[in-house]
Amino acid sequence: DSGVTQTPKHLITATGQRVTLRCSPRSGDLSVYWYQQSLDQGLQFLIQYYNGEERAKGNILERFSAQQFPDLHSELNLSSLELGDSALYFCASSVVDRLPTGELFFGEGSRLTVL
Amino acid sequence: AQSVAQPEDQVNVAEGNPLTVKCTYSVSGNPYLFWYVQYPNRGLQFLLKYITGDNLVKGSYGFEAEFNKSQTSFHLKKPSALVSDSALYFCAVRDGGYSTLTFGKGTMLLVSP
Repeated sequence: DSGVTQTPKHLITATGQRVTLRCSPRSGDLSVYWYQQSLDQGLQFLIQYYNGEERAKGNILERFSAQQFPDLHSELNLSSLELGDSALYFCASSVVDRLPTGELFFGEGSRLTVL
Repeated sequence: AQSVAQPEDQVNVAEGNPLTVKCTYSVSGNPYLFWYVQYPNRGLQFLLKYITGDNLVKGSYGFEAEFNKSQTSFHLKKPSALVSDSALYFCAVRDGGYSTLTFGKGTMLLVSP
């Protein structure tokens, strides 16, 4: 158990809908990262927050947004969903905002299926 | 931009035999390299990392990785494979901004009894 909690584990929805994925980082970790894993694209970095502030942005679509709350949990919002958004979405956390030597701790993911 | 390549989608090995999962990287500056493993229906787990020092890095579950600067490679190895090692393995490199890891596409390791 990595200590990172993600909910829901599975989610099925329709095209055009909006969903929210939630992540609670390990106790004491200030950084939260969101990754998308799909068969064709592999593991893609979406966005990182550190202590409530956005730190880095990757291949995140404009339809997607995220935030980190004062209690350090994070939410990833996906809107106007398309079939291609079906994927496994991972949250990871770390103590620091930069990773010169550190490692990431991953949750078990939220599997999104868009029908 | 930093990148990693895992040239094999799948590696098959018999239990008890040595295994190698290949990774090559491209970075500007000093490479910071990582291996992660993903078991079915689970998140990624850290195996080992190379920051500096010895070219042979030892990690969890008996795995080790050999850093080769001239060949820009960081291959994952284990002397004797177990069926329970069957999983998806990812090589990763720290990006220039230090904030994130860039992952390869992953290599599925299948160890047969």
